[in-house]
Amino acid sequence: TQLLEQSPQFLSIQEGENLTVYCNSSSVFSSLQWYRQEPGEGPVLLVTVVTGGEVKKLKRLTFQFGDARKDSSLHITAAQPGDTGLYLCAGKNGSSNTGKLIFGQGTTLQVKP
Amino acid sequence: SQTIHQWPATLVQPVGSPLSLECTVEGTSNPNLYWYRQAAGRGLQLLFYSIGIDQISSEVPQNLSASRPQDRQFILSSKKLLLSDSGFYLCAWSVQSYTEAFFGQGTRLTVV
Repeated sequence: TQLLEQSPQFLSIQEGENLTVYCNSSSVFSSLQWYRQEPGEGPVLLVTVVTGGEVKKLKRLTFQFGDARKDSSLHITAAQPGDTGLYLCAGKNGSSNTGKLIFGQGTTLQVKP
Repeated sequence: SQTIHQWPATLVQPVGSPLSLECTVEGTSNPNLYWYRQAAGRGLQLLFYSIGIDQISSEVPQNLSASRPQDRQFILSSKKLLLSDSGFYLCAWSVQSYTEAFFGQGTRLTVV
């Protein structure tokens, strides 16, 4: 069974601080995605990374896929209260053609003004 | 553009009562469809996925069932709800063999 482990599970920081969330697995994924979810709503896709070592930037968010495609990180620079939410990583098994995603347990981020 | 509709948004049901949650997708054809359940502040557990009409795969043994009577309609059901069925249920779709999943707004189910 493939597992994705996210760390930390909970993070509370002050506005303006930087943070990094990690997503690790012992399995190789053909692609990995990051989602952000607000309370009472469905997750919204932020980014998909496909190539080992790939780095993608989305404003103050930087996403990296590990060289071996087993891990990923999300770095937020100068966090703002609007970044508060649940961040989920999800990986797709390269052998699956159903689009079935394996989700991590999530990281709850709280940014205090 | 594609949209996904899931209803109801909230539901309070007594133990032993039946359940029917509906999900429809617009603007695409032959999507992969999924039902997930989420514990508070946690990741998503895949319950069912479907690659086509009447083609349903169950990921975990449970008190729930799923059906896909039409190409873009996915239904989550139970004949008799248990307290442990309470949770946040999410429907999602993806293009066949693609990676990104797009989620509905979710249904908060409370079994009392």
